[in-house]
Amino acid sequence: QQQVKQSPQSLIVQKGGISIINCAYENTAFDYFPWYQQFPGKGPALLIAIRPDVSEKKEGRFTISFNKSAKQFSLHIMDSQPGDSATYFCAARGGTSYGKLTFGQGTILTVHP
Amino acid sequence: GAVVSQHPSWVICKSGTSVKIECRSLDFQATTMFWYRQFPKQSLMLMATSNEGSKATYEQGVEKDKFLINHASLTLSTLTVTSAHPEDSSFYICSARVAGGPLFFGPGTRLTVL
Repeated sequence: QQQVKQSPQSLIVQKGGISIINCAYENTAFDYFPWYQQFPGKGPALLIAIRPDVSEKKEGRFTISFNKSAKQFSLHIMDSQPGDSATYFCAARGGTSYGKLTFGQGTILTVHP
Repeated sequence: GAVVSQHPSWVICKSGTSVKIECRSLDFQATTMFWYRQFPKQSLMLMATSNEGSKATYEQGVEKDKFLINHASLTLSTLTVTSAHPEDSSFYICSARVAGGPLFFGPGTRLTVL
């Protein structure tokens, strides 16, 4: 019940296209859903996050869509650029006193020029 | 965002030796720090959670005697891999947060055990 399932495992998009990564969870105690971007050999960097009382959050080219009833959330990257090529992880937090994150499996995004 | 640093960024050691990795929150006081392990092309696996001044809480399957965690202050946590073996070779990443705040990750430490 602590799992977060992420898909697809890898994604190839042309420059200017829209990248969409999906995540699903089971634990209804989760109350915070961040997305992280990780470049090879680097630590993850917080990209954008959402709480379940909001259905959508947009920051620049990045948008999170959240469907509480379906227990799903997704990351949309508009106007994808080669510099967006990285591994993206969704995560969920909640249900514990220490607020530890449960991560999805990761999506390797490649944006072709 | 807040800055979390790790030292060293990479380390190579011989089998049987111990290695210490430091994690520091540079511009904020971290009430909680987390240690993750990441194998190539895989997700981050939480190893343990540490709160300043108290014993770390280890995830199931993580040997607490092998991975010693000390959270001596609100800005410093250390992970010591004792008697390291080749199977301990991995990318170790720490993260830190203020209570109720977002989680910020360090740049990671690449450990290679020969």
